[in-house]
Amino acid sequence: GDSVTQKQGQVTLSEDDFLFINCTYSTTTYPTLLWYVQYPGQGPQLLLKVTTANNKGISRGFEATYDKGTTSFHLQKASVQESDSAVYFCALVDGNTGKLTFGDGTVLTVKP
Amino acid sequence: EAAVTQSPRNKVAVTGGKVTLSCNQTNNHNNMYWYRQDTGHGLRLIHYSYGAGSTEKGDIPDGYKASRPSQENFSLILELATPSQTSVYFCASGGDIYAEQFFGPGTRLTVL
Repeated sequence: GDSVTQKQGQVTLSEDDFLFINCTYSTTTYPTLLWYVQYPGQGPQLLLKVTTANNKGISRGFEATYDKGTTSFHLQKASVQESDSAVYFCALVDGNTGKLTFGDGTVLTVKP
Repeated sequence: EAAVTQSPRNKVAVTGGKVTLSCNQTNNHNNMYWYRQDTGHGLRLIHYSYGAGSTEKGDIPDGYKASRPSQENFSLILELATPSQTSVYFCASGGDIYAEQFFGPGTRLTVL
């Protein structure tokens, strides 16, 4: 079945630092790759979607790209703010059922 | 705006007791999902539904049942709760299998 690996459990940055989070995936179908953000006390909300058609997504200053050759996808932001502090999950959409497989999440803490 | 609500928001149950978690969505979405989230891990799919009257097993269905009596409502049932089912449970709805999933605020369940 599908699998997603997100190794960066915790990332601590200062405001205006560069953010880079990486996930690797395994699937037998055409991948659709998602980034979700979860704020304390809330459910996850979709941040970005990347498909094999577009290779890149951009939203709220975040950019998501994927590399088919290394079966990895990345979330980056040039200059983080304290308000970006949250948990970020990568997820893979099953091409046949639409089911989501989530990574373990990255807790981002941005210090003022 | 998309709206998924869950009740109760917090629940303490005893081992061996029956627990029902409820989810309601006003998005008129066909698909609904139940996930659990454990500390340091991503969300894992328990059950899902493609419409009223249908339920499907997700990745970790053992010990859980689901019920979809209407388009709007989707319940997760723990017939004999165990401490290993202590977790935060999220419900989500989506328009079709590739559409964005909208998550509720979660239910924190503690089984003593």
